[in-house]
Amino acid sequence: EPEVTQTPSHQVTQMGQEVILRCVPISNHLYFYWYRQILGQKVEFLVSFYNNEISEKSEIFDDQFSVERPDGSNFTLKIRSTKLEDSAMYFCASSETQGRAGQPQHFGDGTRLSIL
Amino acid sequence: AQSVTQPDIHITVSEGASLELRCNYSYGATPYLFWYVQSPGQGLQLLLKYFSGDTLVQGIKGFEAEFKRSQSSFNLRKPSVHWSDAAEYFCAVGANFGNEKLTFGTGTRLTIIP
Repeated sequence: EPEVTQTPSHQVTQMGQEVILRCVPISNHLYFYWYRQILGQKVEFLVSFYNNEISEKSEIFDDQFSVERPDGSNFTLKIRSTKLEDSAMYFCASSETQGRAGQPQHFGDGTRLSIL
Repeated sequence: AQSVTQPDIHITVSEGASLELRCNYSYGATPYLFWYVQSPGQGLQLLLKYFSGDTLVQGIKGFEAEFKRSQSSFNLRKPSVHWSDAAEYFCAVGANFGNEKLTFGTGTRLTIIP
């Protein structure tokens, strides 16, 4: 079964440094998402992306965050200047085309980001 | 704004016993409802979904869930749990064919005892 893949599985970064988290969504999917889960807390929506632009973002997704689909397969999340509170598990997800009701989002295994 | 409540933070059941995990949602229109499972250190795996039609939906691993509009609930059930079912379970609500953001509950951690 096709799956969403994320790299790296664990990223350790010094505070203030830039970090890029990478995702390869399922190949025929057109909607892409990033979520995060701070340790012991619930999964929170960050941003959704469709047709090469952000379709929705949460209040967490401030100017330090950006997303990009640099080619036909990758979807990246960049944090420009990391803070301690950015330490979390980051999940990428994708879903199929619009117009087909109830198409679920498929999640990757996540990237654990640790800010020192 | 949509929201999800999972009132049970932690549930312990014996292997072979039945299971019900509770989920209540708040959403102004017809919701799209999902249950995901997260094993330790792993990602989120879809167990089942509801978007219309039959209010009792079947999922993978022998799980089912029932949508009750009058109670704004979408409880997850399994008639007989296995030790491998120990994990964190998240209920989520979405909108617009499920292609908008998912709002997750805080999760229920399931422990299985022999």
